[in-house]
Parts: sequence; structure tokens; C-alpha cells
Amino acid sequence: DVKVTQSSRYLVKRTGEKVFLECVQDMDHENMFWYRQDPGLGLRLIYFSYDVKMKEKGDIPEGYSVSREKKERFSLILESASTNQTSMYLCASSPAGRERDTQYFGPGTRLTVL
Amino acid sequence: ELKVEQNPLFLSMQEGKNYTIYCNYSTTSDRLYWYRQDPGKSLESLFVLLSNGAVKQEGRLMASLDTKARLSTLHITAAVHDLSATYFCAVGESYNTDKLIFGTGTRLQVFP
Repeated sequence: DVKVTQSSRYLVKRTGEKVFLECVQDMDHENMFWYRQDPGLGLRLIYFSYDVKMKEKGDIPEGYSVSREKKERFSLILESASTNQTSMYLCASSPAGRERDTQYFGPGTRLTVL
Repeated sequence: ELKVEQNPLFLSMQEGKNYTIYCNYSTTSDRLYWYRQDPGKSLESLFVLLSNGAVKQEGRLMASLDTKARLSTLHITAAVHDLSATYFCAVGESYNTDKLIFGTGTRLQVFP
């Protein structure tokens, strides 16, 4: 069974802290994605990675960075957390290329920045 | 730039009734996906539509794709309370990338 896990379900951090969100998939997928979800805005892509050490900016990369050192793990880093980064963060993975398979989502991390 | 619009944004419907959720997108795409999200939960894949005229059905939900009209519909037949959730459509950004662009979601509430 397909599985995407995220390191925390709930996280509370203070403004200015460095925050790490981790995502692990066990499906040997090439692609991994980080989204944030806010009411009325749907899902917005922050970054995605199509291979180890490869990354591409999504629609809202400002204030975020990512790391993908191993195929199964994709980390989202908030260099200096701010209150406007309070949100639900969703990780997803998918196989690459012409299979056009769906994206598989993790359970989400609800981050609150105080 | 690809834009994806869903309507309605909110739908309150009575059990037993039929209704359709619409997903319009602005530029050519070769694939469209539907997801369901329960409150406080993550997204679950419902349908993958990869060609013009594709139709998929699962229980009381049926999804279709018209690539010429750039339109997908999610039809709900004889709604039941268990279908209450938020439904998202997502469109492949282009042929050369696996990125998806998501609609803003349709929140469905089914009441007795």
C-alpha cells in the first residue's frame, strides 16, 4: 500500500525560528512536492523535486527552501518562520513521466507560528 | 499561465438529490484529477482522467473530461451524508512536467 508520512501532525513555533518539515515516501517515486493549503486558496505549490538533489520552485517559494538528499525523503525548511506561514503543509509524491499517475498525499502538518 | 476554477465553491444539498461540480481550466492539458478531502484530513485520490471523453465512476460519483471545452464535471447521484467533504480538481500544468495546478475546492455538505 502506498504511503507518504510527515514528521509531525501539529507544530507550534515562534517567529524567527528555523523550522524543518520532513516527508518520507516508500513508493520509490521520483517526484515529491510540498504544498500549503489555506482556506479559500486551495493548494499552492511551494517547491517540487523530480530527482535526488534536484528541485524546482513552485508558485510561492519565498521564505522556504527544500532539501532532497535521498530519493525517499523531501524536507521543507522555513529559514525564519513568520506568522504568515501559519498554514497546513501537505507533502505528496508521484511517479515520473508518462505514467501520469495521481499524486499521493501525506497526512499534513498543521503549523502555527506565534 | 494555467488557471483552474471550480464552481460552486460551496454546495449544500439534500440526501437523495443529484448535483454536478464543474472544473474549468484555461489552457490545454492532457490530464485531470479529482481528489476528496475530509475535514482535518489529507487528500485522497478519486479519479484520474487522461483523455478527451474519459468517464470514470465509483459508487455515487462520476467524473468526465472534455478537453476541447477544457471542462471536467463531477456528478453526484442520490447524495448521502458520507459524501460530505471538500472536492478538488487538479490539472496537469503541461505535457513536459508532472506539476499539477489545483482548483480552490468545492465544499459539499449533504443533509437529511
